[in-house]
Amino acid sequence: ETGVTQTPRHLVMGMTNKKSLKCEQHLGHNAMYWYKQSAKKPLELMFVYNFKEQTENNSVPSRFSPECPNSSHLFLHLHTLQPEDSALYLCASSQENQGGYGYTFGSGTRLTVV
Amino acid sequence: KNQVEQSPQSLIILEGKNCTLQCNYTVSPFSNLRWYKQDTGRGPVSLTIMTFSENTKSNGRYTATLDADTKQSSLHITASQLSDSASYICVVSDSNAGNMLTFGGGTRLMVKP
Repeated sequence: ETGVTQTPRHLVMGMTNKKSLKCEQHLGHNAMYWYKQSAKKPLELMFVYNFKEQTENNSVPSRFSPECPNSSHLFLHLHTLQPEDSALYLCASSQENQGGYGYTFGSGTRLTVV
Repeated sequence: KNQVEQSPQSLIILEGKNCTLQCNYTVSPFSNLRWYKQDTGRGPVSLTIMTFSENTKSNGRYTATLDADTKQSSLHITASQLSDSASYICVVSDSNAGNMLTFGGGTRLMVKP
C-alpha cells in the first residue's frame, strides 16, 4: 500500500456510459495528478491540482472531467469515451515545490472502453 | 525541450544474472532523478532518488548511478530474481518546473528461470 488508493481497480464501460474514477491519498500531500498510460507508451500527464486548484490541463478532451473537492481526494469523471481511451489511469500525489520528492503513485485503474 | 531516453527498450535475462539499464536526459536545470519499478497493470513504485550531488545510491539489489556532467544514469540489478520482471522507468525533475516530471519510455525487463 503506497498511501495513494485508487478505485475501482478495473472498469469496463460502454461508449455511452458515465463513470468516475476515484483517488484518495493519506500522505498529507497538497498536489494531486492524473496520468494516462497506454500500452507501450510513456506516462502522459493529464491534470494537476495544487491546493485543490487545477494548475495544468494538458489538452485533454472534455470527455475527461477532473474534480478535486479537497487536497486528499481526486476524481476523474468519464463520459462518452472512445475505445482509444482504454488505458491504465494513474493517480499520484506529492508535496508542492519539493521537486518530485515524495511523489507517490496509486495502483491505477485499468479502463476498457467497449 | 526536456527529454528522457532509456535503453534498451526491452531485455531478457536469466535468473541470477546481473543487468544494467541506461537513462540519458536533457532536462535542465536538473533537480533530481529517480528510478521507478512498475509491475504490469500496477502503479510505478520508487526505487531510488538522486540529487545533483549524489552519484550512486543503492536499494537492496538495485544500484543507481548518476553522472550529472554527461547527463546519464544507470540502474544495475544484481543477482536477478523472477520478481524483477517489470518495467523500469527513469524520471527526471526540472528545478524550474515545480513538481513537473519528465518520464522516460521505460525498459521492459523479463527474467526467465
